[in-house]
Amino acid sequence: GNSVTQMEGPVTLSEEAFLTINCTYTATGYPSLFWYVQYPGEGLQLLLKATKADDKGSNKGFEATYRKETTSFHLEKGSVQVSDSAVYFCALRMNSGYSTLTFGKGTMLLVSP
Amino acid sequence: SAVISQKPSRDICQRGTSLTIQCQVDSQVTMMFWYRQQPGQSLTLIATANQGSEATYESGFVIDKFPISRPNLTFSTLTVSNMSPEDSSIYLCSVQEPQETQYFGPGTRLLVL
Repeated sequence: GNSVTQMEGPVTLSEEAFLTINCTYTATGYPSLFWYVQYPGEGLQLLLKATKADDKGSNKGFEATYRKETTSFHLEKGSVQVSDSAVYFCALRMNSGYSTLTFGKGTMLLVSP
Repeated sequence: SAVISQKPSRDICQRGTSLTIQCQVDSQVTMMFWYRQQPGQSLTLIATANQGSEATYESGFVIDKFPISRPNLTFSTLTVSNMSPEDSSIYLCSVQEPQETQYFGPGTRLLVL
């Protein structure tokens, strides 16, 4: 079956540090890949996505590149802010019909001033 | 993008009772989903509720415990029946058009005593 593996958290950084959250996937076929963010006390919001190999998704300074050869979709940001503190979920969805998201376990990011 | 509201936003319930959670969307959508997010965990899909058909439940979830209604294209309810403390979770409504972005509601935080 399909699955998503994320690095365990929490990831603790100081403001303006560089962020990487690793995500790898297993899928039969070529899925679309997503990063969702969940701020404290809120639901999930789509952060960025990529639908095919070598695509780069980007939003709010975050980036992730769809790497088919390494089956990865690592999330990066060059300079984190305290307001980026949240839980980040990597997810995949197969590109067929009524497919739904398969989520990783989530990685908590804590950014201190 | 779809705007989703859920009621109640949170509740504290006694074991053995039932709670119905409402999900309202600001536009007509084909696919609606209900997820559970247990404390510190990722999202687990409970069921898919497409209008005009019976809800489809994932492995480990049954209709008697989690009955779902989908009376129209903008509304759904999830009932958590005969609750126990193990049902304490965040319950999230989600919507999607096939192969489009999946959106999430703010969640309902349930504590069962």
